[in-house]
Amino acid sequence: KAGVTQTPRYLIKTRGQQVTLSCSPISGHRSVSWYQQTPGQGLQFLFEYFSETQRNKGNFPGRFSGRQFSNSRSEMNVSTLELGDSALYLCASSLGGDTSYEQYFGPGTRLTVT
Amino acid sequence: AQKITQTQPGMFVQEKEAVTLDCTYDTSDPSYGLFWYKQPSSGEMIFLIYQGSYDQQNATEGRYSLNFQKARKSANLVISASQLGDSAMYFCAMREGGGAQKLVFGQGTRLTINP
Repeated sequence: KAGVTQTPRYLIKTRGQQVTLSCSPISGHRSVSWYQQTPGQGLQFLFEYFSETQRNKGNFPGRFSGRQFSNSRSEMNVSTLELGDSALYLCASSLGGDTSYEQYFGPGTRLTVT
Repeated sequence: AQKITQTQPGMFVQEKEAVTLDCTYDTSDPSYGLFWYKQPSSGEMIFLIYQGSYDQQNATEGRYSLNFQKARKSANLVISASQLGDSAMYFCAMREGGGAQKLVFGQGTRLTINP
């Protein structure tokens, strides 16, 4: 079974631009969660999508948004990039039900904002 | 609010020794799950082990075991017979009940295995 894939793996953008990151979950998984990892703040939850609906949201500004498609693939968008948005963005997939507990992470997208 | 605390920023252990990584948590939800992940320098988060709050026995997965002490709110990871490939960052995380897949992570412990 293929794992979680994220594209692109590396990205360099300029302040003020916008960026879209993609995550393809494990086949059959309906939940996709996004996390931001920085040296200063550690790993922080951005949002979770389940069956195309945002089910949970972290404490991030509205510049961070996402969506999920009918095939469970998810995209995350960051508009008006700031230097502080430089981070490793990880997505995780899971079955998403109350009794499911395993969350499998992708390799991440490393975003650098200059 | 959920909180995870990992008090060991770094640990150095000799190969083949056992190592315990500490994790304490705080939550008011009676239903929760505790996770440990390994993050090598490549960046990918590798799932190691899971413990549910209602599980009666400590979880084990190969060389990994979770020392779950509910009253003390601790969930320490024990790695037996450490190997050079165990060198990585280790994160403890918690998810509260209700089905939502939000994980709250600790700050991590960098484990270095010396030959």
